[in-house]
Amino acid sequence: QKEVEQDPGPLSVPEGAIVSLNCTYSNSAFQYFMWYRQYSRKGPELLMYTYSSGNKEDGRFTAQVDKSSKYISLFIRDSQPSDSATYLCALRGGGSNYKLTFGKGTLLTVNP
Amino acid sequence: KAGVTQTPRYLIKTRGQQVTLSCSPISGHRSVSWYQQTPGQGLQFLFEYFSETQRNKGNFPGRFSGRQFSNSRSEMNVSTLELGDSALYLCASSLFQLTRTEFNYGYTFGSGTRLTVV
Repeated sequence: QKEVEQDPGPLSVPEGAIVSLNCTYSNSAFQYFMWYRQYSRKGPELLMYTYSSGNKEDGRFTAQVDKSSKYISLFIRDSQPSDSATYLCALRGGGSNYKLTFGKGTLLTVNP
Repeated sequence: KAGVTQTPRYLIKTRGQQVTLSCSPISGHRSVSWYQQTPGQGLQFLFEYFSETQRNKGNFPGRFSGRQFSNSRSEMNVSTLELGDSALYLCASSLFQLTRTEFNYGYTFGSGTRLTVV
């Protein structure tokens, strides 16, 4: 079983839709949870990060972490064509382990 | 503010050769990490350096090595290249503020070096 599982999609939605992206993980040592967005031919760009369980909102983006279920989500409201990209979840343990473990990414297309 | 700079952007090498990739982190960032991205495996951690010391290492063979200089710039080297080493190599820098309430954790990635081994 992989440490982090993410549905690769592709996911295609109309402009204005609410998008839900998810990852599950198996290692309970993960404490920091991040979402990155990657456009074609670019490096990943940090969108959201959360420490431990809970919700965090930033504009149209909401990140949720449920450590009891080992499940993390990213919601995008009022999706725009410019949101079309690959979305990657990234998790990190605590202490001196600075390695990020990524999901494989979900390719999202928002159609005008 | 300048971002993370990786050079070169593209490389084509022959099997058996070696290659060196370079990464200049954001000014003031002392942590530099390297990742390999392939369609099949996604993003995989190679190693992380802080103040010229390797703190963490991923599960890659010894052909993959790296170093960090006193100005925080980093290089990674791959020796005896194999076809399977073809990938996008990404460097990320970070300013680690270790307080949980104001946690400036996120890595900033460069645009990567696309390595093709033929």
